[in-house]
Amino acid sequence: EVQLVESGGGLVQPGRSLRLSCTTSGFTFGDYTVSWFRQTPWKGLEWVGLIRSNTYGGTTEYAASVKGRFTVSRDDSKTIAYLQMNSLKTEDTAVYYCTRTLAVASFVDYWGQGTLVTVSS
Amino acid sequence: DIQMTQSPSSVSASIGDRVTITCRARQGISGWLAWYQQKPGKAPILLIYTTSSLQSGVPSRFSGSGSGTDFTLTISSLQPEDFATYYCQQAYSFPLTFGGGTKVELK
Repeated sequence: EVQLVESGGGLVQPGRSLRLSCTTSGFTFGDYTVSWFRQTPWKGLEWVGLIRSNTYGGTTEYAASVKGRFTVSRDDSKTIAYLQMNSLKTEDTAVYYCTRTLAVASFVDYWGQGTLVTVSS
Repeated sequence: DIQMTQSPSSVSASIGDRVTITCRARQGISGWLAWYQQKPGKAPILLIYTTSSLQSGVPSRFSGSGSGTDFTLTISSLQPEDFATYYCQQAYSFPLTFGGGTKVELK
């Protein structure tokens, strides 16, 4: 059974950092692109960034709103993906989802359960 | 960025009804469109990808169609478990973008 489990969410002050982890199982992690999304009631579903498999160079892409502040990485030996979030802003408050993404096109076939990140003083 | 516009934003329907949701892209996306279903407090579930391909395990009452900028999700006979919010997503170019969602409610 394919599983993705996010952890590391919580309350953080503006300007601080937080790292989310995505622990996976049930599939060959190294073969897949991992994407991060976030969701709020006021902005809906929003793509954050992704990291491709090493087959596709392990390259990354980011939304403009997080580029330069957030970093997606992966450890294929541990089958874990990470989202490092620096210089957090109140508008980064959201439920963050880790996902398995098809390589042929950036569609998500499996989602984690989500983790809430609240940026507030 | 490619803006995705869904309509209607909500629809009231009865069990057995045929429900159609539309999604319009601001520019052509060559069929790189997916549909997801989301229930409250849960992560989205992939229903349809590349416009009309049914994801494994998804009931055949769900279907997708369209091309260019205009796409449609159809539920042929609404079932109790289908009351949820539906989103379209384009994968033609980065940033990936979603429609605002369509909530299917019980009439």
